Amino acid sequence: GAVVSQHPSRVICKSGTSVKIECRSLDFQATTMFWYRQFPKKSLMLMATSNEGSKATYEQGVEKDKFLINHASLTLSTLTVTSAHPEDSSFYICSASRPGGNEKLFFGSGTQLSVL
Amino acid sequence: QQQVKQSPQSLIVQKGGISIINCAYENTAFDYFPWYQQFPGKGPALLIAIRPDVSEKKEGRFTISFNKSAKQFSLHIMDSQPGDSATYFCAAPPRGTNAGKSTFGDGTTLTVKP
Repeated sequence: GAVVSQHPSRVICKSGTSVKIECRSLDFQATTMFWYRQFPKKSLMLMATSNEGSKATYEQGVEKDKFLINHASLTLSTLTVTSAHPEDSSFYICSASRPGGNEKLFFGSGTQLSVL
Repeated sequence: QQQVKQSPQSLIVQKGGISIINCAYENTAFDYFPWYQQFPGKGPALLIAIRPDVSEKKEGRFTISFNKSAKQFSLHIMDSQPGDSATYFCAAPPRGTNAGKSTFGDGTTLTVKP
């Protein structure tokens, strides 16, 4: 079964509103989680590394004020798309690895965000 | 930026055939080479991975071949089935880092026809 749970799977929102996406590690504690963005028929683009108890590390070109990441517990990271606009519409995916198992990555099921 | 180049972009194979997807990397600072499988509307899932100290790894119908000198690794799917139809990504995490920081290939959309 899934070891990383992501919700919601799909969300439609109006332009200007904020949307929160949750990523949970189900049977392990994840001090680090990762957030990606994927456009149709394209590869995964790493947006940021979510660090439990500290600030997220954002990749170059990713607006930290637009994509707020909170990793308040060892099993939960959230990505909030603030003041969403149609160009933010995309498939967002999180991932995590078990402690001591940095190589084996578990992905969430993804969230399809559509901004009208 | 470290590069991982994947080919072909798309692949159509008859049921029972062999699917072959290739990946080439440009930096030697990788020591783990995974392949991920992604179905439409879902997140990727680790399929199989290899370390550079071996030239081949087989798990069921899936085999990774690794050519260190050529900096290439490939995924072979034997006896391809319609259920294998998905997008496949190769990846390479920088040495010593979490696989979450991998550079991913552009993906190969595999269609297996009945």
